[in-house]
Amino acid sequence: KAGVTQTPRYLIKTRGQQVTLSCSPISGHRSVSWYQQTPGQGLQFLFEYFSETQRNKGNFPGRFSGRQFSNSRSEMNVSTLELGDSALYLCASSLEGRKELFFGEGSRLTVL
Amino acid sequence: QKEVEQDPGPLSVPEGAIVSLNCTYSNSAFQYFMWYRQYSRKGPELLMYTYSSGNKEDGRFTAQVDKSSKYISLFIRDSQPSDSATYLCAMSVYNQGGKLIFGQGTELSVKP
Repeated sequence: KAGVTQTPRYLIKTRGQQVTLSCSPISGHRSVSWYQQTPGQGLQFLFEYFSETQRNKGNFPGRFSGRQFSNSRSEMNVSTLELGDSALYLCASSLEGRKELFFGEGSRLTVL
Repeated sequence: QKEVEQDPGPLSVPEGAIVSLNCTYSNSAFQYFMWYRQYSRKGPELLMYTYSSGNKEDGRFTAQVDKSSKYISLFIRDSQPSDSATYLCAMSVYNQGGKLIFGQGTELSVKP
């Protein structure tokens, strides 16, 4: 069974640009969550989607947004990039009603 | 004060040692407790999942939850060099779906 797939794995952007990251969950998983991981703050929850609807949201500015498609695939977008947005962005999927999250390998974003 | 506190280490032990990793938390509403293992440049991998208080064993790993003390532990018996990784505790309340609160992670090194 394939795991969570995230693309791209690595990307470099400059300040002010925007970026879109993609996540394909494990087959049968309809819940997708996004996390930001940095050395200083650790893993922080961004948002969660289920059935194309945002179900939970963390404490991040509106520059961070996401969406989910009917096939459960999800994307997140960061607009007007700042240096502090450099991080590993992790996507996780889970079965409905289950707390066990299964993470992808992440998209490492560097903002110059 | 963070909701979940975890000693970042690093922790270095000889091969075959028993490893004890711990987290404390302040939110008494946490009911779901997890341990993840993260190798360098990889996504977190779910190791153990526990609901409420008690112990759970899986091979060389034992997870303990003491809700009265707001303290959780992960024990690794007969540690191996392949156990060298960062270990993250994570917790969740009942009604917050895929939102997990993570500790900072403890970096473990098992020396041959």
